[in-house]
Amino acid sequence: SQQGEEDPQALSIQEGENATMNCSYKTSINNLQWYRQNSGRGLVHLILIRSNEREKHSGRLRVTLDTSKKSSSLLITASRAADTASYFCATEDSGGSNYKLTFGKGTLLTVNP
Amino acid sequence: DTEVTQTPKHLVMGMTNKKSLKCEQHMGHRAMYWYKQKAKKPPELMFVYSYEKLSINESVPSRFSPECPNSSLLNLHLHALQPEDSALYLCASSQADREGDEQFFGPGTRLTVL
Repeated sequence: SQQGEEDPQALSIQEGENATMNCSYKTSINNLQWYRQNSGRGLVHLILIRSNEREKHSGRLRVTLDTSKKSSSLLITASRAADTASYFCATEDSGGSNYKLTFGKGTLLTVNP
Repeated sequence: DTEVTQTPKHLVMGMTNKKSLKCEQHMGHRAMYWYKQKAKKPPELMFVYSYEKLSINESVPSRFSPECPNSSLLNLHLHALQPEDSALYLCASSQADREGDEQFFGPGTRLTVL
């Protein structure tokens, strides 16, 4: 079953602008991860935020987590054409298997040069 | 080596064929995964192997049969598939049964069932 729900489903911006994607989920989680997928390829892990963390940075990425609202956001600053991809949030549910990630529906980001 | 490799990249098969997908990693990971991904959809977990034993089967039809011959290899045997099984099949691996382990994905096998 799909836990995470991203919005928007698609986002188109100009190079240099910031891109914000949101993810909502339904159950208690251990952590929330963001992955990127270039068209028809495998997924690449971007960043993980644990349930006791509120914000995390990695390079041009900033992730926030609000467990009271069961939501997370991914901000990509100063976007580049190479950031064009689908972005998925994935939750590891507390009380569930450490192996099982439940992926959201994804946001398709297009960065125009 | 932080790579997960998958072969073949593309596979076209008829409904009566038997074929296998292969996945390999040399990162010393002890958990390996098969996911199925339809176009414009998120990956859906199919199977998880942990320390070469089947740990999770997400109620996958028996026409999909996983096999983990050793800690570096993962196979997915396909038999009597249906056209709706056409999808991108992704293999992934992670270190072990720890909270928060990053999963490393292969590039996938694009399967078309005629």
